[in-house]
Amino acid sequence: EDQVTQSPEALRLQEGESSSLNCSYTVSGLRGLFWYRQDPGKGPEFLFTLYSAGEEKEKERLKATLTKKESFLHITAPKPEDSATYLCAGRWGGDKLIFGTGTRLQVFP
Amino acid sequence: NAGVTQTPKFQVLKTGQSMTLQCAQDMNHEYMSWYRQDPGMGLRLIHYSVGAGITDQGEVPNGYNVSRSTTEDFPLRLLSAAPSQTSVYFCASRPGGGEGNTIYFGEGSWLTVV
Repeated sequence: EDQVTQSPEALRLQEGESSSLNCSYTVSGLRGLFWYRQDPGKGPEFLFTLYSAGEEKEKERLKATLTKKESFLHITAPKPEDSATYLCAGRWGGDKLIFGTGTRLQVFP
Repeated sequence: NAGVTQTPKFQVLKTGQSMTLQCAQDMNHEYMSWYRQDPGMGLRLIHYSVGAGITDQGEVPNGYNVSRSTTEDFPLRLLSAAPSQTSVYFCASRPGGGEGNTIYFGEGSWLTVV
């Protein structure tokens, strides 16, 4: 069964304290690894798609990377407005995304 | 450009009642889908559609019906609401042409069944 596991469940950072979120996935047949941001009371907002090991994508303070068995979302010098739940999802075929349970990030000034 | 629009935002139902969650997109996307989000479980696919007139079941389809009569609309029907259907529901869409296309989500519909 295809699976996506995110860690940690929650992360508290001081403003400016860089860190990484982890997403491990079932390796066989992955056709895309997606990162979303979700604010309270809102729908998931697309951040990145990664397709192959070694691929990296950046957006402001966020950088997503993909290895053969996991993906990382690196947050450099975070600000309080980066506080949100970050969701990882994989696609193995068809139109179904399998989501992890998310990492709830809190950044304190 | 409104993107993916869901209505209602909030709804309270009594057990056994039926209702329809509406979803519309104005991006001419071929693919549309419904997910539910429950605490500690992540988003799970309920039903999806690859085009007008074509629908299929996802991971948790029981108790829900869908139809796709137009490209723009993809309503989700609860036939006889149960407390287990208390959840947040998200409609999503993406363009056709390849599985790598990004899926865009609506703002969600909060449903409570009492």
